[in-house]
Amino acid sequence: AQTVTQSQPEMSVQEAETVTLSCTYDTSENNYYLFWYKQPPSRQMILVIRQEAYKQQNATENRFSVNFQKAAKSFSLKISDSQLGDTAMYFCAFIYTGNQFYFGTGTSLTVIP
Amino acid sequence: DAGITQSPRHKVTETGTPVTLRCHQTENHRYMYWYRQDPGHGLRLIHYSYGVKDTDKGEVSDGYSVSRSKTEDFLLTLESATSSQTSVYFCAITGSEGQPQHFGDGTRLSIL
Repeated sequence: AQTVTQSQPEMSVQEAETVTLSCTYDTSENNYYLFWYKQPPSRQMILVIRQEAYKQQNATENRFSVNFQKAAKSFSLKISDSQLGDTAMYFCAFIYTGNQFYFGTGTSLTVIP
Repeated sequence: DAGITQSPRHKVTETGTPVTLRCHQTENHRYMYWYRQDPGHGLRLIHYSYGVKDTDKGEVSDGYSVSRSKTEDFLLTLESATSSQTSVYFCAITGSEGQPQHFGDGTRLSIL
């Protein structure tokens, strides 16, 4: 069975600072994909970043980057220069063959002015 | 934004009544999903579809059924609604393997 664990239910960060959200997963598969999604209070689910397991290079999208450690099955999200609009719930997700997604339980991030 | 429309956006109903939620997409994507979101549980998969008339169960499928008679529509039915099915329901789509899911805006369902 595939599982995704987000061990930090809540986090906070000062505006303009950097914060890292952790995610670990368990799988016996070798080829898979990992995602981070953001859910602001508006309830929309917004894709933040995508990582392919066969690529060693960590994905980046503007202020968002990941630290992908395949051997450790770890996929953390780093948010640099935090902004008030980053306040949201963040979900880590995993998919391998068959297109069935597995989501973590989420981390609620609050950016403090 | 991906063309996904969920209807209704909000619904209040009584225990024991049937409820149908609709997901409509304009992207011609193969895969469609229904999730429920509850505090402390994240997103849990109810059912998904990998083509017209091809569906499969997710981890929380009891009490729910789905149908997909056209590529663009995926219906979720609560056969006899219970209070434990009060939740926010999300539809999602994806086109091909490994691509991210795109989500609808969600349906808040309250069962009294």
